[in-house]
Order: sequence, then C-alpha cells, then structure tokens
Amino acid sequence: AQSVTQLGSHVSVSEGALVLLRCNYSSSVPPYLFWYVQYPNQGLQLLLKYTTGATLVKGINGFEAEFKKSETSFHLTKPSAHMSDAAEYFCAVSDRSGDDKIIFGKGTRLHILP
Amino acid sequence: GAVVSQHPSRVICKSGTSVKIECRSLDFQATTMFWYRQFPKQSLMLMATSNEGSKATYEQGVEKDKFLINHASLTLSTLTVTSAHPEDSSFYICSARDPLAGFNEQFFGPGTRLTVL
Repeated sequence: AQSVTQLGSHVSVSEGALVLLRCNYSSSVPPYLFWYVQYPNQGLQLLLKYTTGATLVKGINGFEAEFKKSETSFHLTKPSAHMSDAAEYFCAVSDRSGDDKIIFGKGTRLHILP
Repeated sequence: GAVVSQHPSRVICKSGTSVKIECRSLDFQATTMFWYRQFPKQSLMLMATSNEGSKATYEQGVEKDKFLINHASLTLSTLTVTSAHPEDSSFYICSARDPLAGFNEQFFGPGTRLTVL
C-alpha cells in the first residue's frame, strides 16, 4: 500500500529564509504527487502537483517541488519565507492505476519567525 | 478553478441527535466525491468514496450505519452522522473529483466543524 512520510511535524524558519519541507513516498511505481496547504479551520488548497514530465514543478505562492525518483522524494521549497506562509502543509500521493484515492502524509506545521 | 462548498461550516449538536453535512460542486459535475475526517493537529483520514447513483465505499473501520452517505446528484453529496456522540466531534472535509481535470486531482471543500455536546 502507498504511504507518505513527512519528516518533521513542525518546522520553523525565519522570515526571508529558505523553506524546505520534506516528503518521501513508498512505491515501486512513482505515483501522482501533491502538496496541499491548510490554513486554520479551512479546507485544503493545492499548491502543486507532479504527474509526468519535468521533475521540477512550480506552484502557487512561490513554492516549488522536485520529484526525485532515485530518492523517492518530493520535497517542497520556497526561496524566501513570508509570514503568510505559516500554515499546515500536507504531502499526498495517488496511485496511477486508476484508483482515485489520495493518501496524505501526517502534515508539517510551518512556523515563520519574525 | 473548480469550487467545492460545504454546509454548514460549523455545527453544534446534542449527543444522540443526527447531523447532515452537504458537499456541493459548484461549477462542475462530480461523479466521485470523497469524505475525510480530520482530528485536531492530525492528517486527513479518508472515510468513504461516494459515487453518484451508487452506494458509497467505506474505508476499513468506518461504520457505514453511523456515517450515512448519499450522492443523489452529480453536484451534491451528503454525510449524515447518526446518533452523534462526543467522540464524533471532528473536522469533516469533502472533496470532489472533476473528471475533466484529470490526474486524480481532487478539489476540497472548506470543511465542517462538528461539535457534539
């Protein structure tokens, strides 16, 4: 079964610093990969997704993620953190076999320090 | 982009009563909708997959008689929590799959906070 591991339930970075949120998946066949953001008491918003093609994916709000098959990773980065980036971030995967299910990681809470 | 709404956004009920939560796809037809449950500071757990015109498929450990799902139209799915108890208090989020979007992408509603007293 698919699984997603997010390293670090909490990550703190200073405003203006690099943001790096780690995500690894377990699958012999690369799945579809997603990053979602959740603000308090709200639903999920898609930041970016990898389906096929270019392994560096650019998303909204200046975020990007790189799919690395050899490392089974899909880490999320942003060059310069803003206070508004403080939120919960979820990495997620979906099987390419046609099953619509999305499996979520446990989430990483991003704190931005002034 | 595709928009999914949920109603109500917040509900408080007494133990033993039933609560209905609606999930609507506003600008697309969703043949498949999903219901998730999220406990405080935890991830989303898939409860069930709802297909229009057929019975929902429940994940292991989810009581189908307690969490009734109806997907009567291509734009509406409902989740009814029957005989609610305090342990059912949670954040319930629905999502809908737009078949035209492809690649298994789901669009999420804003969530419903259920508090059972």
